[in-house]
Amino acid sequence: DTGVSQDPRHKITKRGQNVTFRCDPISEHNRLYWYRQTLGQGPEFLTYFQNEAQLEKSRLLSDRFSAERPKGSFSTLEIQRTEQGDSAMYLCASNPGRTRYNEQFFGPGTRLTVL
Amino acid sequence: AQSVSQHNHHVILSEAASLELGCNYSYGGTVNLFWYVQYPGQHLQLLLKYFSGDPLVKGIKGFEAEFIKSKFSFNLRKPSVQWSDTAEYFCAAPYHSSGGSYIPTFGRGTSLIVHP
Repeated sequence: DTGVSQDPRHKITKRGQNVTFRCDPISEHNRLYWYRQTLGQGPEFLTYFQNEAQLEKSRLLSDRFSAERPKGSFSTLEIQRTEQGDSAMYLCASNPGRTRYNEQFFGPGTRLTVL
Repeated sequence: AQSVSQHNHHVILSEAASLELGCNYSYGGTVNLFWYVQYPGQHLQLLLKYFSGDPLVKGIKGFEAEFIKSKFSFNLRKPSVQWSDTAEYFCAAPYHSSGGSYIPTFGRGTSLIVHP
């Protein structure tokens, strides 16, 4: 399968713990996006990367959220000191980045449950 | 704030009925619009997109959408739905942020259930 992959698919954690999610984009896709999706809502943009550069992070939900893409390939999203309100599906998407308006290729998501 | 609005949150149809899902966007500049679909247990995937040219866009599985600039709308249509069209449908548009980036913005989605 050469699509976008995310790991883990499910994560259950206790409030106050840190969690880290990984996303592997489609090979040679320069842009990588992170979204959060809650029940009954569409994907909510969090941040994105062009290669290793994080170009937009103003939409990260709080300073507890951070993302990296150190070598321009896979990316990680970390949530520190998790809260129950962080429970959601976290989606990753990628695209070639050749134009500003490329479609998004989505991964299966990581479902986070904070107890 | 720039936004994408989907008016129908839940739609229930019988097979062979016609479908129209509404989508309105709040941006007056260059417009690029998308419809995505998420079938049960599957990833979000592109259904169709509008960049320029013919305002009637055809996508996969017999879906089409019409861009009407004067109404800021991009409604999704299908003349005759099938049970396999049961899914969540999301309208999306990229918006230009103050930082110079294009931020993909999605509507809240429409849940379509098609009864056989």
